[in-house]
Amino acid sequence: SAVISQKPSRDICQRGTSLTIQCQVDSQVTMMFWYRQQPGQSLTLIATANQGSEATYESGFVIDKFPISRPNLTFSTLTVSNMSPEDSSIYLCSVERPGQGARNGELFFGEGSRLTVL
Amino acid sequence: RKEVEQDPGPFNVPEGATVAFNCTYSNSASQSFFWYRQDCRKEPKLLMSVYSSGNEDGRFTAQLNRASQYISLLIRDSKLSDSATYLCVVNPGSFQKLVFGTGTRLLVSP
Repeated sequence: SAVISQKPSRDICQRGTSLTIQCQVDSQVTMMFWYRQQPGQSLTLIATANQGSEATYESGFVIDKFPISRPNLTFSTLTVSNMSPEDSSIYLCSVERPGQGARNGELFFGEGSRLTVL
Repeated sequence: RKEVEQDPGPFNVPEGATVAFNCTYSNSASQSFFWYRQDCRKEPKLLMSVYSSGNEDGRFTAQLNRASQYISLLIRDSKLSDSATYLCVVNPGSFQKLVFGTGTRLLVSP
């Protein structure tokens, strides 16, 4: 298994400010994934953070709004920039289950960061 | 049509009951399937992968029907602790991203 520590666990922010969420994994992983889960919605992939290269963003998400860092194989940050109330959501860091035989889709998630933008 | 569809519920069942959820998917080329469990205000956790031949893990049975493009989750002898939201997750393959359903909420009452 993988242990993922995510912080902050929650925050209340003012419109127009930015917040950086940190994700620490207890083992080295190639890819780290950032998801968003808005109230009553399914999880949506924001981007894949790759160590040593630019993050890969999904349709509808851009680097200027959600800059990502991946300085090493155990750590990543996601920044939510110039926040608006529509950014209120849970943001989740995720990694694939390690080991041979693990299927693509078997993920471990951090506990999430619950963001409220006023 | 949504890529992955689930009945949001809630399914209200008494302890000891058997309950089943279905999840339909639109991409017939999808390669792998999963059920995740998400407790209130918690992160999703993998409950079980769904294999073509169907698989069982204790009180939980997952099945795949490729012809009709749905997967199912059966929970026998429901416990209070089974109360959660169950997310259906589909891997469309070809290096596409996972697709999550919105979840089915289960409430098990005494």
